[in-house]
Amino acid sequence: KAGVTQTPRYLIKTRGQQVTLSCSPISGHRSVSWYQQTPGQGLQFLFEYFSETQRNKGNFPGRFSGRQFSNSRSEMNVSTLELGDSALYLCASSLTGLALDTQYFGPGTRLTVL
Amino acid sequence: AQSVTQPDIHITVSEGASLELRCNYSYGATPYLFWYVQSPGQGLQLLLKYFSGDTLVQGIKGFEAEFKRSQSSFNLRKPSVHWSDAAEYFCAVGLNNAGNMLTFGGGTRLMVKP
Repeated sequence: KAGVTQTPRYLIKTRGQQVTLSCSPISGHRSVSWYQQTPGQGLQFLFEYFSETQRNKGNFPGRFSGRQFSNSRSEMNVSTLELGDSALYLCASSLTGLALDTQYFGPGTRLTVL
Repeated sequence: AQSVTQPDIHITVSEGASLELRCNYSYGATPYLFWYVQSPGQGLQLLLKYFSGDTLVQGIKGFEAEFKRSQSSFNLRKPSVHWSDAAEYFCAVGLNNAGNMLTFGGGTRLMVKP
């Protein structure tokens, strides 16, 4: 079974631009979560989608948004990029979205903001 | 405040030696507990998880972890480390009422000496 895929793997943007990252979950998984990983702040939860609905949201500004499609694929968008948005963005999928459920992580998208 | 702490940022062990990575949490109730590993340029891979029951949990790659309620700890152990275990290890907690949102510790980078 194919794992979680994220595209693109690398991105370079400049301040003020916007960016869209994509995540394709494991087939049959209905929950997708997004995390930001930086050297300074570590791994931080961004949001979780289940059946096209956002169920949880982390403590990030409104510039960070996401959505989930009917096929469970998810996108996250960051508008008005700042230097501090440079990070590895990880998405994870799980079957049920319950706390007990194993989450499978993708390889991440590395975003560099210049 | 709820938190997950990994006191050791870096650990170096010799190949074949035993390993213990520490994790402490601060939550009102017993959370769900996880250990993940991240190799360079990769996403996160689940090593093991604890929800309830037997406090000694067996995982993949020969890892185990012990939940100690009295110490609010969930330390990861391996009796004999292999060079391929060099990676970053993250302890994470989830809560029953928070979907599958995970809160991660800061991580411990493991280096293995030949």
